[in-house]
Amino acid sequence: DQQVKQNSPSLSVQEGRISILNCDYTNSMFDYFLWYKKYPAEGPTFLISISSIKDKNEDGRFTVFLNKSAKHLSLHIVPSQPGDSAVYFCAAKAAGNKLTFGGGTRVLVKP
Amino acid sequence: NAGVTQTPKFRVLKTGQSMTLLCAQDMNHEYMYWYRQDPGMGLRLIHYSVGEGTTAKGEVPDGYNVSRLKKQNFLLGLESAAPSQTSVYFCASSSVNLYGYTFGSGTRLTVV
Repeated sequence: DQQVKQNSPSLSVQEGRISILNCDYTNSMFDYFLWYKKYPAEGPTFLISISSIKDKNEDGRFTVFLNKSAKHLSLHIVPSQPGDSAVYFCAAKAAGNKLTFGGGTRVLVKP
Repeated sequence: NAGVTQTPKFRVLKTGQSMTLLCAQDMNHEYMYWYRQDPGMGLRLIHYSVGEGTTAKGEVPDGYNVSRLKKQNFLLGLESAAPSQTSVYFCASSSVNLYGYTFGSGTRLTVV
């Protein structure tokens, strides 16, 4: 039973437009959420995070929104750039430092 | 500034063979992890360690063993490889006070 789900396996967007990636979770004990970006043949790299006590965190072109009542978070990329083409993983933390990851969403930004 | 280094990067094993994947980090991180990545399944935790000499099971530990004899190294062993262990393996480390992980570049393992 996946506790963190990314229901869209892929997303295609035009350069300059907004990319919206979604993530749902089931464990109410998760208190911290992260997004990772992964290029082919590389390890995932940290992108942005949010604590469960907040509902929004912004870093440049990247914004993460958290809706605790819906157990849903989203990542907005504005404007999308070709270099953003990658696989994005949502992750959640409960007790300890262990992260539970979603299945990933492959983003393709078309020039 | 190496971060997390995994060796080897690629390996092909025959069913029943054994091997060890090595992970080394130079950031003095307390915590280390082994994940496997499979299509559509994301990253699933195999084993982890919260300090030198400690190990614990993750979500999918069967068929794997680990050791953390030195703080900077975390070894993942496959005693008798099976085709179901064909995957990309990622090692990661983190400090006590930060929740973000630093990942290695992965080991692509094929068991035939």
